[in-house]
Formats: sequence, C-alpha cells, structure tokens
Amino acid sequence: AQSVTQPDIHITVSEGASLELRCNYSYGATPYLFWYVQSPGQGLQLLLKYFSGDTLVQGIKGFEAEFKRSQSSFNLRKPSVHWSDAAEYFCAVGVSSGTYKYIFGTGTRLKVLA
Amino acid sequence: EPEVTQTPSHQVTQMGQEVILRCVPISNHLYFYWYRQILGQKVEFLVSFYNNEISEKSEIFDDQFSVERPDGSNFTLKIRSTKLEDSAMYFCASSEGQPGKTQYFGPGTRLLVL
Repeated sequence: AQSVTQPDIHITVSEGASLELRCNYSYGATPYLFWYVQSPGQGLQLLLKYFSGDTLVQGIKGFEAEFKRSQSSFNLRKPSVHWSDAAEYFCAVGVSSGTYKYIFGTGTRLKVLA
Repeated sequence: EPEVTQTPSHQVTQMGQEVILRCVPISNHLYFYWYRQILGQKVEFLVSFYNNEISEKSEIFDDQFSVERPDGSNFTLKIRSTKLEDSAMYFCASSEGQPGKTQYFGPGTRLLVL
C-alpha cells in the first residue's frame, strides 16, 4: 500500500543551524513528491516538488530536497534556518491508484530557537 | 498569483446540523479535491471531482458527505448531519490535470462540531 513516513514528529533547531527533515515513501511506480509547509492557522503552501529529472530540487524560502530512489527518500534541507521557518512540514506523494491524489505523511513540527 | 479560496474560515455547528463548506478553485483548473485534517493528525484525502462527477472517494467519504459544483466557480462540500468526529480542518485543492500536476490548496475551513 502507498504510504509516506516522516519519522520525526518534532524537531528543534537553533536559528542559523542547518536542517534536514526526513521523508520516506512507499509506492510502486515513479513517484511525484512534494513538500508543503503549514504555519499555525494557515493552509498548505507548496515548498517544492519532484516529478523527474535532476534529483536535487530547489524550492522557495531557501529549501531544497533530494530524491533518492534507492532509499525511497525525499528529505528536505535548509542550510540556515530562520525563526520564521517554525511551522509544520508535510511530505506527500502523488499516487495514481484510482484517481490521482496525494498521500501525506504525518508531518514534522519544527521549532526554532533564537 | 491565482489562489484557491475557501469560506468560511471557521465554522461552529451543533451535532446533527448540516454544514456547507465552500471553495473557489483556480479558474482554469479542472480537477477538484477535498482533504481533511483532524487536529494533530495527517492530511487525508476525501474525494476528487472532475467533469461534474466524483472520480474517487475515500472510506471516510460516506453517505453523509456530498460535493457539487453548482456553478462555474464554486465547489462545495456538504455534510448532512454532522458528528463530533467531523471536527477537523477541511482543505480544498485544485489542479490543472492528472497525473502528476501540482495540487494547490486553499487556506482551509476549521469545522468544530459541538
């Protein structure tokens, strides 16, 4: 069955430190992969996506993610975290069983220390 | 930049009452979705809609739920007789096509059933 796993429920980093949020997926076909960010009380904002091609994708707000097929992973990274990055981050895979839809991970809540 | 809008942002209702959540998708999009996020849990697919009919619905989307596109712009989710467990954030999304196209999410409607 298709699934997305985000092993870290909470992560705390200091401002200026680097960040890596983990995402593993289970899907038999070529995945379409996404990272979304949700600030408190807000909707889901697309950070970046991977469809094909270069496995390192750049997104908004200085984020990047690397697709590793051998590890079924799509980890999100940022070299230097800002206090405004505190939010919840969701990894999602687009699947085409039935209609095309997203399967989301459980999310990682990021806290940034000043 | 075009965006998906949703109204109301918050709704409080009594158990057993009917609610209608409204969404205005991006104008040239053809595929429409509803997702649900119970507090503290992951975002879950409810239903997809294309060409004025449901393409797929999840197990969550039982007979209490219905969707329609009453005119050229609105896309609604109706819950006929709300239950306490329907309390959640409901997200509308739209996309240009399938598969693989990015889904753009609205800000969500937070529904509280008392």
